[in-house]
Amino acid sequence: EPEVTQTPSHQVTQMGQEVILRCVPISNHLYFYWYRQILGQKVEFLVSFYNNEISEKSEIFDDQFSVERPDGSNFTLKIRSTKLEDSAMYFCASVETGEHNEQFFGPGTRLTVL
Amino acid sequence: AQSVTQLGSHVSVSEGALVLLRCNYSSSVPPYLFWYVQYPNQGLQLLLKYTSAATLVKGINGFEAEFKKSETSFHLTKPSAHMSDAAEYFCAVSPETSGSRLTFGEGTQLTVNP
Repeated sequence: EPEVTQTPSHQVTQMGQEVILRCVPISNHLYFYWYRQILGQKVEFLVSFYNNEISEKSEIFDDQFSVERPDGSNFTLKIRSTKLEDSAMYFCASVETGEHNEQFFGPGTRLTVL
Repeated sequence: AQSVTQLGSHVSVSEGALVLLRCNYSSSVPPYLFWYVQYPNQGLQLLLKYTSAATLVKGINGFEAEFKKSETSFHLTKPSAHMSDAAEYFCAVSPETSGSRLTFGEGTQLTVNP
């Protein structure tokens, strides 16, 4: 069964460093998302992406964040200058158009900022 | 704006007992509603979804949920709990539009006692 994959599974970085989190959505899906979950808290929406541009972003998704679909398969989240409070689990998700917004989630990348 | 409230951050049941996890939503537009399950150190797996067809929705692993518009509720139930049901459960809402963000509740940690 097709699934969303994410790499790496764990990322440890120093405060102020840039990180890139990678996702491979399901191949025929057209909408892509990033969510994050700070330890012990609920899952929060960051950004959605469709037709090679951001379709919606939350107030969390400020100038330190960017997303890109550099080729036909990868979808990346870049955090430019990481802060301690960026430590969280980051989930990628994708949707096939017309499927009632049923979002398929990847296993997540745990980001730890020291 | 949409929001989700999950009553009870922790629910504990005995194996074989009824599972009831509560979810109330707020939405100014007709919603899609979802229940996701998260096992430890894993991603989010869709249990079931309401998409304005039948109000009683059956999902995987014996779970079901009933959409009650008058009560703005979408409670999750399972007649007989199994040890393997121990996990965190998230209720989520989105507008009836593909590509929309999911708004999650705070989550309910289900413990199943032998």
